[in-house]
Amino acid sequence: DTGVSQDPRHKITKRGQNVTFRCDPISEHNRLYWYRQTLGQGPEFLTYFQNEAQLEKSRLLSDRFSAERPKGSFSTLEIQRTEQGDSAMYLCASRGGDEQYFGPGTRLTVT
Amino acid sequence: GENVEQHPSTLSVQEGDSAVIKCTYSDSASNYFPWYKQELGKRPQLIIDIRSNVGEKKDQRIAVTLNKTAKHFSLHITETQPEDSAVYFCAATIPGSNYQLIWGAGTKLIIKP
Repeated sequence: DTGVSQDPRHKITKRGQNVTFRCDPISEHNRLYWYRQTLGQGPEFLTYFQNEAQLEKSRLLSDRFSAERPKGSFSTLEIQRTEQGDSAMYLCASRGGDEQYFGPGTRLTVT
Repeated sequence: GENVEQHPSTLSVQEGDSAVIKCTYSDSASNYFPWYKQELGKRPQLIIDIRSNVGEKKDQRIAVTLNKTAKHFSLHITETQPEDSAVYFCAATIPGSNYQLIWGAGTKLIIKP
C-alpha cells in the first residue's frame, strides 16, 4: 500500500489516560500534517512537519498535545491526560507537491 | 486571518442533474484551492484543485472555477450519480504558511434516484 497509513484506527480510553497515534506518510513525501475532525466539521489544522522539523503548530493545540517526527519518516501524536473534549477523528496527511493526501484517521473516544 | 465560507450546507439533486457548491475566501493572497470528498467514516479524498493563476479546471464530470477578483471558487458536478453522495469540503491555503489549509464547513450532497 503506497498511501498514508495510520495506527490504530480506533482508540477508546478513559479520561486522564495518555494516548499515542502513529502516521506513516507516502514514502517520498517530506511534508506531514496532523488534523483533528469532529462530526459535521471540516478538518482543523494541528501541526506541520517538514522532514523532522516541526515548523507550524496551531494556537489551538494545548500543551497536552505533542507531536514528533524523529527521522523525517513516520510521525507520532501524543495526547496526555485526555479529556472528553479530545474525542474526535485524528487525521494525518502528507504532501509532495501541492496536494495533501490523507490517511484513514484514528478515531479517539474518551470515556 | 483567512476565512472560508461554503454554501449550501446541504444540497439535494436528482440523479443526472448538475450540482454546484460555492466557497468564498477572505485573503486575496491565497493561491491554492483544493476540493475534497468525504464519504461517511472515510478519509477526505482530493477530487480536484486549482491554483490562483488558473480560472477553470475540468476533470471528466467535475470542474472548478475561480474568480480571484470576487475571491470566490465553485465546484461543479455534472450528470450526478448515486456514488457522488458525500460531504464535499473546499479549502484555501493560508498565505505565508506551509500550505496550511483552512477549510469550509462542508456541503452534504444527496443524489436522489
